[in-house]
Amino acid sequence: DAKTTQPPSMDCAEGRAANLPCNHSTISGNEYVYWYRQIHSQGPQYIIHGLKNNETNEMASLIITEDRKSSTLILPHATLRDTAVYYCIVRPRDDKIIFGKGTRLHILP
Amino acid sequence: GAVVSQHPSWVICKSGTSVKIECRSLDFQATTMFWYRQFPKQSLMLMATSNEGSKATYEQGVEKDKFLINHASLTLSTLTVTSAHPEDSSFYICSARERGGGRGEQYFGPGTRLTVT
Repeated sequence: DAKTTQPPSMDCAEGRAANLPCNHSTISGNEYVYWYRQIHSQGPQYIIHGLKNNETNEMASLIITEDRKSSTLILPHATLRDTAVYYCIVRPRDDKIIFGKGTRLHILP
Repeated sequence: GAVVSQHPSWVICKSGTSVKIECRSLDFQATTMFWYRQFPKQSLMLMATSNEGSKATYEQGVEKDKFLINHASLTLSTLTVTSAHPEDSSFYICSARERGGGRGEQYFGPGTRLTVT
């Protein structure tokens, strides 16, 4: 069973920041928060992950609440190429990935 | 770095025949590989986990005699769909975890689209 809850879909205007929420209220102490995305008809792509601190890389930022029960993935300047399904996954570092339904993000021109 | 390839990218076969899909880690050694299946407008479903040199572990409901997985080396895993039927038509995606990978990422292949006629 997926341990996360995400909105089924979201829209974001091109050039604006896309903020994708994820609830994981039953997260355990040894579980990380991972984000992947899948562009249509392609394999999933790793975006970012974190344990409890906020993280940033060249693709996105990950904000994790202090109680670790929710997180937000931020794409700072969304482009049309960011249109994809975004998956929030919580798991121990070396465990297999079980995908939920994800959020379908539409970037609007 | 961390590239996973799949071959073929798409395949059409007749009902009753078998199809083999290859998954390769191109620039790293993968002790563990995963096979997923995805039907249209659905999420990815994990089929099995394979460790190099040992038998694959199948998820509940996945027929191990129908979906044969071989992970003979640290860079190659194969999925063979035996006696394929139209309901096996799907998008098959493999994933690999790097040997000794400390961050726990899984790297995904581009997928193989199987159509059984």
